[in-house]
Amino acid sequence: GENVEQHPSTLSVQEGDSAVIKCTYSDSASNYFPWYKQELGKGPQLIIDIRSNVGEKKDQRIAVTLNKTAKHFSLHITETQPEDSAVYFCAASTLYNQGGKLIFGQGTELSVKP
Amino acid sequence: EPEVTQTPSHQVTQMGQEVILRCVPISNHLYFYWYRQILGQKVEFLVSFYNNEISEKSEIFDDQFSVERPDGSNFTLKIRSTKLEDSAMYFCASSERGGANVLTFGAGSRLTVL
Repeated sequence: GENVEQHPSTLSVQEGDSAVIKCTYSDSASNYFPWYKQELGKGPQLIIDIRSNVGEKKDQRIAVTLNKTAKHFSLHITETQPEDSAVYFCAASTLYNQGGKLIFGQGTELSVKP
Repeated sequence: EPEVTQTPSHQVTQMGQEVILRCVPISNHLYFYWYRQILGQKVEFLVSFYNNEISEKSEIFDDQFSVERPDGSNFTLKIRSTKLEDSAMYFCASSERGGANVLTFGAGSRLTVL
């Protein structure tokens, strides 16, 4: 069945360093890949997404890359700040999935140390 | 910024009892979802709902679960006879359109079944 694997499960970086989180997916029909950030006591919030017709997307300090051939995609956070500390989830879906079903990865707990 | 509101934030119930989790989606959104996250595990899709009917449901969403939009603002998840393994964080989400579009999640309702 559909599956998304996410690594690492925990990541600790120094403030100002970069953080990279990687995901692989199994369903070759997947063509929409959002990333969510979950802070303590809150629901997941979309931070960036990418569709399969592009290989990279950037939004300030956040970027996502997609390799459809290898079926993996990554989140890159540059110049990390303490407020980036949270759990990050990758997900995959198909644009034509009318149900809006997202398949989530296991989550990565990012800790940015001042 | 519009948000999805969920109540209660935490509910403790005895095994076998019925539970209703409530959600108020964003007012102009047309698609509604329930996801759940068992402690330490992935966020899992339960069900999607559009035009007063279920669009898609997962294997988890068996006969013990039901969803309803009783009025123009609320979206509820009912568990008829709770089991220990129903203990989880339940997230409601909504989106303007179906398919792979931006889902806005609520903060979640934590259900503990004793």
